[in-house]
Amino acid sequence: GNSVTQMEGPVTLSEEAFLTINCTYTATGYPSLFWYVQYPGEGLQLLLKATKADDKGSNKGFEATYRKETTSFHLEKGSVQVSDSAVYFCALSTGNQFYFGTGTSLTVIP
Amino acid sequence: EAGVVQSPRYKIIEKKQPVAFWCNPISGHNTLYWYLQNLGQGPELLIRYENEEAVDDSQLPKDRFSAERLKGVDSTLKIQPAELGDSAVYLCASSPGGTSGYEQYFGPGTRLTVT
Repeated sequence: GNSVTQMEGPVTLSEEAFLTINCTYTATGYPSLFWYVQYPGEGLQLLLKATKADDKGSNKGFEATYRKETTSFHLEKGSVQVSDSAVYFCALSTGNQFYFGTGTSLTVIP
Repeated sequence: EAGVVQSPRYKIIEKKQPVAFWCNPISGHNTLYWYLQNLGQGPELLIRYENEEAVDDSQLPKDRFSAERLKGVDSTLKIQPAELGDSAVYLCASSPGGTSGYEQYFGPGTRLTVT
């Protein structure tokens, strides 16, 4: 079946530190991969996506590369800010069916 | 372009009472999803609509939950009667589908507290 596994949190970093949140997936076929971000009290917002192997999604300084050989889609940011504090969800879709990870909480301290 | 609209944002009810949530998706989005999100967890699909047809409701507890999307636009999710374990955030999402892509756009959610 299809599933997504994220590194467990919570993650606490100092401002300007490097961020990596690991995500691996299991899927049949050729899924699209996504990272969503959820700020407190809000719904999920699409952060970035990649639709095929070796694609790199990027947005707001965040990046993730679709690695088919390692079935991974790790989220990275070179220098985090306090405003990046949120919960991050990795997800995959096969057509219009979505599978979400359990989320990784990130807190960035000044 | 307006995003996905949900109401109410918060609801507190006593157990055994009925409750309903409303969602208006992004204009033109044919696919609509209802999710349940427990604290510290990812969204769990309850039901997915393609236009007015419920194409995946396998995870919907049909003894107490019901949903409708009569005209293929807005949708209502109902719980009757509510139980303590139903306390959670109920998220609605929509996507254009087809060649326009399947990324989902989420509403702010309705936080339900059952006392």
